[in-house]
Amino acid sequence: NAGVMQNPRHLVRRRGQEARLRCSPVKGHSHVYWYRQLPEEGLKFMVYLQKENIIDESGMPKERFSAEFPKEGPSILRIQQVVRGDSAAYFCASSTGGISNYGYTFGSGTRLTVV
Amino acid sequence: DAKTTQPPSMDCAEGRAANLPCNHSTISGNEYVYWYRQIHSQGPQYIIHGLKNNETNEMASLIITEDRKSSTLILPHATLRDTAVYYCIVFNDYKLSFGAGTTVTVRA
Repeated sequence: NAGVMQNPRHLVRRRGQEARLRCSPVKGHSHVYWYRQLPEEGLKFMVYLQKENIIDESGMPKERFSAEFPKEGPSILRIQQVVRGDSAAYFCASSTGGISNYGYTFGSGTRLTVV
Repeated sequence: DAKTTQPPSMDCAEGRAANLPCNHSTISGNEYVYWYRQIHSQGPQYIIHGLKNNETNEMASLIITEDRKSSTLILPHATLRDTAVYYCIVFNDYKLSFGAGTTVTVRA
């Protein structure tokens, strides 16, 4: 019964490089959500995806950020040309869809540091 | 944006009950109250949720007032491992809106 798996746990990138964050949802979950937590702040919604579809990306910065959840494989959050302000913890959650009896299952996060 | 108001912090003695209040005066009829906690920057952990009735599970109890404008999360016997940030969230769709939460420190 593996939970949500995120990798890498820690990622260091130089300014201008690309960051790719991966999220494997709970087996059987077809809905994935990405959240960002800046230092000393609460989690902020970024994007909601179902298999091969972006449902809501209202929390995503307009530039440099993209997300996908392909038919096969993990969900990917991609940040191009990273800047210091992208340094944060990025959490992925998954669900079976809609309101469930157990809410969403979150992963342990990827901590991105831009140097 | 978060629709809830929580005290920023509270202390609790180990072994005692911890009562965490939450105000959600603008909650609408089909919105649930969810509680999550985040231990030391780990991923948020689901605790409990409710709509109208009080709820209890192995982790906690949730008391929702009759008018649904506020609720209280009860940790019946707090342990040091319950030290965390606790988030009260009003939720009716797919988007969890996390506020600042309550930082609970359990002291020996």
